Amino acid sequence: QQQVKQSPQSLIVQKGGIPIINCAYENTAFDYFPWYQQFPGKGPALLIAIRPDVSEKKEGRFTISFNKSAKQFSLHIMDSQPGDSATYFCAASMNSNYQLIWGAGTKLIIKP
Amino acid sequence: ETGVTQSPTHLIKTRGQQVTLRCSSQSGHNTVSWYQQALGQGPQFIFQYYREEENGRGNFPPRFSGLQFPNYSSELNVNALELDDSALYLCASSSDGVGGYTFGSGTRLTVV
Repeated sequence: QQQVKQSPQSLIVQKGGIPIINCAYENTAFDYFPWYQQFPGKGPALLIAIRPDVSEKKEGRFTISFNKSAKQFSLHIMDSQPGDSATYFCAASMNSNYQLIWGAGTKLIIKP
Repeated sequence: ETGVTQSPTHLIKTRGQQVTLRCSSQSGHNTVSWYQQALGQGPQFIFQYYREEENGRGNFPPRFSGLQFPNYSSELNVNALELDDSALYLCASSSDGVGGYTFGSGTRLTVV
């Protein structure tokens, strides 16, 4: 019940395309859902986060869609660029427990 | 404003030895979390410190221990190292304890 399942494991998209990464969770006590970007040899960097009271959030080229009834959320990257090539992680946490539960990651490659 | 700094960046230890990893949190942050990231996987929560007290722990044995100092820097200690402890150890700091974590670049620990 503590798991966050992420798909796909890897994704190749042409420059300008819109990669979509999906995550699903079971624990309805989760109330904070961030997405992190990680480049090789670096720590994860927070991209964007959402709480269950909204269905969509946009920050620049990054959009989170959230479906509370389906317990799913996804990351969309608009106008993708080769510099977006990285591993993306979704995560979740509960308000009373600061622990972040992470998905397994998606390795994204944007082809020029 | 400085980010999260971890030291050392790389470390090789022998099975059975002990290791101490260090983390300087971002200025103004009073919460520090430690994560273990095995190759190709998402980070796993080890524990978290808030104002020098441990306030959350993941599914790691007692040989993983930590400290947070009055300046909010932190140490992760691992005793009786095992081969499976080989991983990237990430430190993250936050000012509110929930999400919004800033991660360091990690310490790559190899146990031989």
